[in-house]
Amino acid sequence: GQNIDQPTEMTATEGAIVQINCTYQTSGFNGLFWYQQHAGEAPTFLSYNVLDGLEEKGRFSSFLSRSKGYSYLLLKELQMKDSASYLCAVLDSNYQLIWGAGTKLIIKP
Amino acid sequence: GAVVSQHPSRVICKSGTSVKIECRSLDFQATTMFWYRQFPKQSLMLMATSNEGSKATYEQGVEKDKFLINHASLTLSTLTVTSAHPEDSSFYICSARDGEAHQPQHFGDGTRLSIL
Repeated sequence: GQNIDQPTEMTATEGAIVQINCTYQTSGFNGLFWYQQHAGEAPTFLSYNVLDGLEEKGRFSSFLSRSKGYSYLLLKELQMKDSASYLCAVLDSNYQLIWGAGTKLIIKP
Repeated sequence: GAVVSQHPSRVICKSGTSVKIECRSLDFQATTMFWYRQFPKQSLMLMATSNEGSKATYEQGVEKDKFLINHASLTLSTLTVTSAHPEDSSFYICSARDGEAHQPQHFGDGTRLSIL
């Protein structure tokens, strides 16, 4: 079966750095997305990785290792507004998007 | 860019009512639109995928006669929940994609449906 694993919840301090991991086992791979979802709102697109390595976009970076079936989202200089759920999603061989359950990130002052 | 508008944002209605939700891509042409359902503290559950001018593809377990999807143009898709019951109460979210599957999906703001 297809499976995406993320931690259910993480807590971090304002101004700090946090890394949210995602591991996947899917039938094929055509890329991995990270989305941010604030409570009661729709997801917003953060990043897309299809090649191994680190993609940096401001305070957010996303890393991919295809051989390990592993990705992480790195958030630097955390702000209170970063409190949200972060969803990992993988595009499989049929170009179907497989969603993880999301990681709820709690930022404390 | 890539704005998706979903309307209404909230609906409260009686059991047995049919509810229509609209999803529009405002500044791009959406070759494919998706309808999701999300229960509290759970991830997105894909209900169906629709391509403009063709019938929607429903996920297993989703009743196509209950959740009617119409994708009449490249900028508009509608989801109609027919004869809604309390168990249909949920957060419904649409998304739209312009082009290939590796392009990101852009989401509407969601519709919170409450059936009394």
